[in-house]
Amino acid sequence: AQKVTQAQTEISVVEKEDVTLDCVYETRDTTYYLFWYKQPPSGELVFLIRRNSFDEQNEISGRYSWNFQKSTSSFNFTITASQVVDSAVYFCALSEGGFGNEKLTFGTGTRLTIIP
Amino acid sequence: ETGVTQTPRHLVMGMTNKKSLKCEQHLGHNAMYWYKQSAKKPLELMFVYSLEERVENNSVPSRFSPECPNSSHLFLHLHTLQPEDSALYLCASSPRWTGSYNEQFFGPGTRLTVL
Repeated sequence: AQKVTQAQTEISVVEKEDVTLDCVYETRDTTYYLFWYKQPPSGELVFLIRRNSFDEQNEISGRYSWNFQKSTSSFNFTITASQVVDSAVYFCALSEGGFGNEKLTFGTGTRLTIIP
Repeated sequence: ETGVTQTPRHLVMGMTNKKSLKCEQHLGHNAMYWYKQSAKKPLELMFVYSLEERVENNSVPSRFSPECPNSSHLFLHLHTLQPEDSALYLCASSPRWTGSYNEQFFGPGTRLTVL
């Protein structure tokens, strides 16, 4: 069975600080996909990134970066030089298998508050 | 309209009422989902429809009844709900037969309060 753990329930940092959100996953499949979603106060989940299990290359997109390590089953998310607009709940999610699989398993989320 | 829309955004209902939530996607996707988001709990997948056919039902109580008349629309019919059903109900869609991608696009949700 697949499982996603986000141990950090809430994090608060002062604006411009860097912050890392942790995500640990469990799966028996060799093919799987990892995701991060952002949920601002408006409620809508916004897709941030998808990573497949065969690509361990870290990714950077502006102030966002992701560190995927299969050895520790982790897919951590770092925001550099945080801004107030980054305040939201962030969800890590896992999808097993490949072709035709629709099911996403979400973590419980981390509420990030950026203090101006 | 673009993306995934949901109506109403907020709903308050009594335990004996019957109401429906509506979801519409304008992305040309073939799969649609209902999720329940309660405080301090992971998103719970309720139903999955692919090509208008229900493919998964995660043991959801029968007081929740989904309907998918076509690939663009998804409904969740509610009747005889309980206060513990109060939550944010999220709809999502995704392209189904795309091989390697399972990215889901979410609507803004319906905040449901059952009195």
